[in-house]
Amino acid sequence: RKEVEQDPGPFNVPEGATVAFNCTYSNSASQSFFWYRQDCRKEPKLLMSVYSSGNEDGRFTAQLNRASQYISLLIRDSKLSDSATYLCVVNSGYSTLTFGKGTMLLVSP
Amino acid sequence: DTGVSQDPRHKITKRGQNVTFRCDPISEHNRLYWYRQTLGQGPEFLTYFQNEAQLEKSRLLSDRFSAERPKGSFSTLEIQRTEQGDSAMYLCASSISGSLPEQFFGPGTRLTVL
Repeated sequence: RKEVEQDPGPFNVPEGATVAFNCTYSNSASQSFFWYRQDCRKEPKLLMSVYSSGNEDGRFTAQLNRASQYISLLIRDSKLSDSATYLCVVNSGYSTLTFGKGTMLLVSP
Repeated sequence: DTGVSQDPRHKITKRGQNVTFRCDPISEHNRLYWYRQTLGQGPEFLTYFQNEAQLEKSRLLSDRFSAERPKGSFSTLEIQRTEQGDSAMYLCASSISGSLPEQFFGPGTRLTVL
């Protein structure tokens, strides 16, 4: 089983749609969780950290379920500029990050 | 620009040649990481430094790979006797110890081995 698994994608949605990404992780000792965004041929950039209580940043909502070892990202009112690959990322108590393969999102007019 | 910088941005080499990449982290960041990313995959951890000490190396880092951070500032990643399978994007990231482990990535060096 891979350490971090994500929906395979791609997700094709129209502008204004709501889209949800799912992620599971295998290491129950994992301590920190993130969503990174990566545009085509660019470096990953932190989108948001994920807290146990859930957190929201504008149109983006992240949820964490430690019991199920599950992380989600919800994007409301999708914009064309949201088109990118979304990477689920886990830090397991050491300094390194473990990335999922990413889920590509394509938002069309 | 005070972000992470990497040089070169692109490198094309022939199989068997040695290549070296450089990373300059954000100036106050004492942790530096190297990752490798191939098409359709997320970045995979290679190695990490805290100041000048190399604290962790992935099993992905074969004997042909070596990384240094001699003065705790910039770092170099050398690949000896390159193979076609080494073709990838090599990403550098930096962070500050003692805080949330948010890492800031550089633009990467894209290596093509012919």
